[in-house]
Amino acid sequence: GAVVSQHPSRVICKSGTSVKIECRSLDFQATTMFWYRQFPKQSLMLMATSNEGSKATYEQGVEKDKFLINHASLTLSTLTVTSAHPEDSSFYICSANGGNGYNEQFFGPGTRLTVL
Amino acid sequence: QKEVEQNSGPLSVPEGAIASLNCTYSDRVSQSFFWYRQYSGKSPELIMSIYSNGDKEDGRFTAQLNKASQYVSLLIRDSQPSDSATYLCAVNGGSGNTPLVFGKGTRLSVIA
Repeated sequence: GAVVSQHPSRVICKSGTSVKIECRSLDFQATTMFWYRQFPKQSLMLMATSNEGSKATYEQGVEKDKFLINHASLTLSTLTVTSAHPEDSSFYICSANGGNGYNEQFFGPGTRLTVL
Repeated sequence: QKEVEQNSGPLSVPEGAIASLNCTYSDRVSQSFFWYRQYSGKSPELIMSIYSNGDKEDGRFTAQLNKASQYVSLLIRDSQPSDSATYLCAVNGGSGNTPLVFGKGTRLSVIA
């Protein structure tokens, strides 16, 4: 299957700082990537759809100025959490469409963000 | 609003038994159906894809699709404690740049 990586796997930061999370498709090109957030014992929540070379599409209730998404190449999408606060502490996961025409999505290993 | 429904569980089965996980979806035009496994604290992992009516087998896993009933299931034969996880059903009815619609997942516990 297709491989998606994320970096960093874990980050702890102070309230008010910004954190950038990278999502890479390692062995395929991904025109579309997706960003999810998951709180403990809760379901995946789609945050946004990231399209290479164009603006991301955010889900209702997700602040686009707080969660900046850049999909500058066919293998890299980044999520920047700006001015992070403790309530932003969560498990952030990206996924990418494998590009085989069947809409299979492959997930990265996730980034655990803790804001102090 | 496209919806995917799953029983949240937990579903408890003894080791060696067959675990049966079920999922229904609302969008009749859905074309692609997936099962993901998510261990606690980890990201989801794709374990089965199915696109046409009938059964698809891969090792101990069998996915079943019935488009007329809008029903997808996953059977796990010879269940092992290592199969204990949350299983997510996902459905896609659009193009490759539309997100999957996920169910909330069924928690499976295999008792040794």
